[in-house]
Parts: sequence; structure tokens; C-alpha cells
Amino acid sequence: AQRVTQPEKLLSVFKGAPVELKCNYSYSGSPELFWYVQYSRQRLQLLLRHISRESIKGFTADLNKGETSFHLKKPFAQEEDSAMYYCALSGDGNKLVFGAGTILRVKS
Amino acid sequence: DAGVIQSPRHEVTEMGQEVTLRCKPISGHNSLFWYRQTMMRGLELLIYFNNNVPIDDSGMPEDRFSAKMPNASFSTLKIQPSEPRDSAVYFCASRSGTSPYNEQFFGPGTRLTVL
Repeated sequence: AQRVTQPEKLLSVFKGAPVELKCNYSYSGSPELFWYVQYSRQRLQLLLRHISRESIKGFTADLNKGETSFHLKKPFAQEEDSAMYYCALSGDGNKLVFGAGTILRVKS
Repeated sequence: DAGVIQSPRHEVTEMGQEVTLRCKPISGHNSLFWYRQTMMRGLELLIYFNNNVPIDDSGMPEDRFSAKMPNASFSTLKIQPSEPRDSAVYFCASRSGTSPYNEQFFGPGTRLTVL
């Protein structure tokens, strides 16, 4: 079975503080992991994907197969980072399984 | 390009009524997905189509839910009869090709309220 767990419903940090949004997954094969983001009044959109090993808007995420994690990190949070973040896994069947999402709130 | 189009944007109905949600994917995309978003469960995949053919409907909660894709530019999600627990935001997304590496493009969603 494929499962994605985002343990925090809400993460609140101050502007300039480091951010880490947690994501753990369960999958017996070799997964592909993604982060999607939904800003206020905007559509859900892809932020980054594990396979690209990219940094988008200052965010990075490293796949840790030993810990089955794909945490999203940013060293210095900005107010415009406030949004809903979803971790997603692609295993079997060419579909995505999403976690429950974490609301990131960056306070000034 | 207007992206994925969904209608209606908001729907308020009474328990027992039939509800039909509509989606127009991005032209040229051949994979289409229906999701349901709730605070408790997050984003759940209901069903997805490749080249208009339903591939996986294991996420459809029960027989009250049905989805069709009669052609490459239109899909519907129907709930009959609707119940208050169906209240949620329903998203449609489309993707070019069948590779999971390809980005899914989401519509604006339909907020459904069943009284």
C-alpha cells in the first residue's frame, strides 16, 4: 500500500526562521516524491519533484530512503511562503497519493 | 490557455439531490484526475482516466459516485443521491502523457455544500 503522512496540520514560524515541513511515506518499491503547494486564492501547483533534485523558491527536499522521509526545507521563511503544502508519492499505477497537507503560516 | 476549467465553482444543494460536477482538461492532455479535498483527509484521489478510459476508480467512496469521460475535452463527476458528508472541494486535474513525473495541472475546484 502507498501512504503519505504529514504529521503537522499547521506550522507557524516567524519570518526569517528556518522551515521544515515533514513528510513520511510508506511504499515497498522505489518511490517518486513530489511537493505541491496551494497559495491563497490560487490553484494547487507543483513546487518540486525529487527526481529533479532542484531548489524552487529557496525550498529543497531530500529523499531519505532509510527514514522513508521527504521533508521540505527552507533556511529563511518569507511571508509569501504562507500556503498549504502537500507531499505526494507516485508508486504503482502512474497516480499520485497525497498526504493530508500542512498549512504553513509565516508571521512577520 | 485558461488551464483546467471546472464548473460550477460553488454548488449548494439539499440532501438527496443529484449533483453533477464538470471538468474541461487542458487541450492535448490525455490523463485526467478527480480529487476530493477535506480538512480531515486532505486530498484524496477518486478516479483517473487515461485517454478517456477509467484506469483506477478505487477511491470512489461508494456507488453514489460515478464519473465519465465521453471525450478528450470533457469529464463529469456525479453524486446521486448527495449526502451532507459529501461536502468538500472537488478538484479536477489533467496531465500530459501517463508518466507520473509529469506535472498535474489542477483546476480551481468546485466547493460543494450538501445541506
